[in-house]
Amino acid sequence: LAKTTQPISMDSYEGQEVNITCSHNNIATNDYITWYQQFPSQGPRFIIQGYKTKVTNEVASLFIPADRKSSTLSLPRVSLSDTAVYYCLVGVWGTGFQKLVFGTGTRLLVSP
Amino acid sequence: DTAVSQTPKYLVTQMGNDKSIKCEQNLGHDTMYWYKQDSKKFLKIMFSYNNKELIINETVPNRFSPKSPDKAHLNLHINSLELGDSAVYFCASSQPGRGRTSYEQYFGPGTRLTVT
Repeated sequence: LAKTTQPISMDSYEGQEVNITCSHNNIATNDYITWYQQFPSQGPRFIIQGYKTKVTNEVASLFIPADRKSSTLSLPRVSLSDTAVYYCLVGVWGTGFQKLVFGTGTRLLVSP
Repeated sequence: DTAVSQTPKYLVTQMGNDKSIKCEQNLGHDTMYWYKQDSKKFLKIMFSYNNKELIINETVPNRFSPKSPDKAHLNLHINSLELGDSAVYFCASSQPGRGRTSYEQYFGPGTRLTVT
């Protein structure tokens, strides 16, 4: 079963745009791709989800290529409060069954 | 108003004991989940219930038994606790939509389980 992988960590400065990519080779055909943010000692918090192309809400954008084997979360003009761990969540196909899998997580550090 | 609540927040116990974690959601959602987050922060689904029926049961030891008395509650009972069970356990809920499968979930604050 292919892993759902993300870069371990990323560093940025306030005001910059940050792009975090998740690779999900075995994504299930009919499932959304969902992204979460997690602060220390808290549960993950929903950010955005999409099926294909581009989705934008008040906090982020999500870019999904046509083959849907990856997705990129884009955070415009990050601030210190965006320092957190970011996870993608997808349904993937295993051997004859479907699994719900979180990505490995990307720790984003935003500096002044 | 807490959407998804878990009790207790911290649980310290000895190997071999049996313990339970409770979860309640007041969002009116039909689906509830249990996740385990290990020390490396990897999140792994354990179980999922839809309207009190088990729909996802990942490869977890049968010492873990979920129970859903109604669709607003999903409790997790763990028998014969082991050192490797130490982790943070998260409960979550979601409302299945029509058409494509959505994974927009609302998570509880977590229960940090420490087995000594």
